[in-house]
Amino acid sequence: DGGITQSPKYLFRKEGQNVTLSCEQNLNHDAMYWYRQDPGQGLRLIYYSQIVNDFQKGDIAEGYSVSREKKESFPLTVTSAQKNPTAFYLCASSFGTKETQYFGPGTRLLVL
Amino acid sequence: GQQLNQSPQSMFIQEGEDVSMNCTSSSIFNTWLWYKQDPGEGPVLLIALYKAGELTSNGRLTAQFGTTRKDSFLNISASIPSDVGIYFCAGQMEGTYKYIFGTGTRLKVLA
Repeated sequence: DGGITQSPKYLFRKEGQNVTLSCEQNLNHDAMYWYRQDPGQGLRLIYYSQIVNDFQKGDIAEGYSVSREKKESFPLTVTSAQKNPTAFYLCASSFGTKETQYFGPGTRLLVL
Repeated sequence: GQQLNQSPQSMFIQEGEDVSMNCTSSSIFNTWLWYKQDPGEGPVLLIALYKAGELTSNGRLTAQFGTTRKDSFLNISASIPSDVGIYFCAGQMEGTYKYIFGTGTRLKVLA
């Protein structure tokens, strides 16, 4: 089955710790995205990547980092510099940046 | 960042009723998307709209791309309990890569 997978479903972070969220897709999509979702707000773009080995900052990139070494994978690292990391993180992908985006199931990050 | 105005914020309706919700923007969009999100899950694409005035159906769902290109509407007919969830619109401005998301309409259906 084609789709987007995210892991883990839940992630706990201790103060000062970096954590990495996984996103994998087998849809042969070129573009991938990371969004943050907070209660009562629309999705906010963290980073996006149009092709392998290239990525761009979105609206709220501070405290986050990404890599795009493979077409299928776009991991997001939440660094200790992100002071308010508790949120629901959604990964999406599309054939191109002007195409329809499809979402993964999300990872909920909680701070201990 | 810019966000769309989506209304209503929440709705409580009886099973069998029709539902209408909309999104408006001050900017012109060339694509509108409608998603449904269940609690703790990722959004699922319902309908995509690509032309002003376009009217597209997906089962009991019908969405329209407003003629001004600044709004879009989603209607659900004869609601059922599994329609419960949060419905999001997303719009893409011409010449940009980014989708802007509405804040969602939370739908609750009373059996």
